Amino acid sequence: KAGVTQTPRYLIKTRGQQVTLSCSPISGHRSVSWYQQTPGQGLQFLFEYFSETQRNKGNFPGRFSGRQFSNSRSEMNVSTLELGDSALYLCASSWGTSGRAGETQYFGPGTRLLVL
Amino acid sequence: GQQLNQSPQSMFIQEGEDVSMNCTSSSIFNTWLWYKQEPGEGPVLLIALYKAGELTSNGRLTAQFGITRKDSFLNISASIPSDVGIYFCAGQGIAGGTSYGKLTFGQGTILTVHP
Repeated sequence: KAGVTQTPRYLIKTRGQQVTLSCSPISGHRSVSWYQQTPGQGLQFLFEYFSETQRNKGNFPGRFSGRQFSNSRSEMNVSTLELGDSALYLCASSWGTSGRAGETQYFGPGTRLLVL
Repeated sequence: GQQLNQSPQSMFIQEGEDVSMNCTSSSIFNTWLWYKQEPGEGPVLLIALYKAGELTSNGRLTAQFGITRKDSFLNISASIPSDVGIYFCAGQGIAGGTSYGKLTFGQGTILTVHP
């Protein structure tokens, strides 16, 4: 069974640009969560999508947005990039149902974004 | 943002030694998860815990979900060089509402194993 895949793996952008990252969940998983990982702040939750709807959102500015498609693939977009957006962006997928094991998340390899 | 209190921050041990790390929180969690991350990769799930008091093993790894639902520990027995990496605990609140899809992570424990 294929794991969570993310593209691209590495990205270099300049300040002010925008970027779109893609995540394909494990087959059958309907929930996709996104996280930002930095040395200073650790792993921080961005948002979660289930059946094309955003169910939860973390404390990030509106420049960070996402969407989910009918095949559960998800994209996140960051507009007007800032130097501080340099980070490893991780997505994780789960079944999305409540209860035992329903929410256990499996992570992709991440997209390393460098903003110059 | 909120993070779990994970300790120790780093450990330097000799191959063959046992390792113990733990996480505490001021909030109750419904699920505790332990992940390992290696450089350039995403976190890999090691153990998932779903019930207070639950003790679960995965090979040389053993983890427990605290009775108060506010803490968890991970033990690694007879460490080997490939155990090197960063270990993270993560908690998820009661299913639904503001807990949908949200894991709260500890700061990580950096493990170094000397052969």
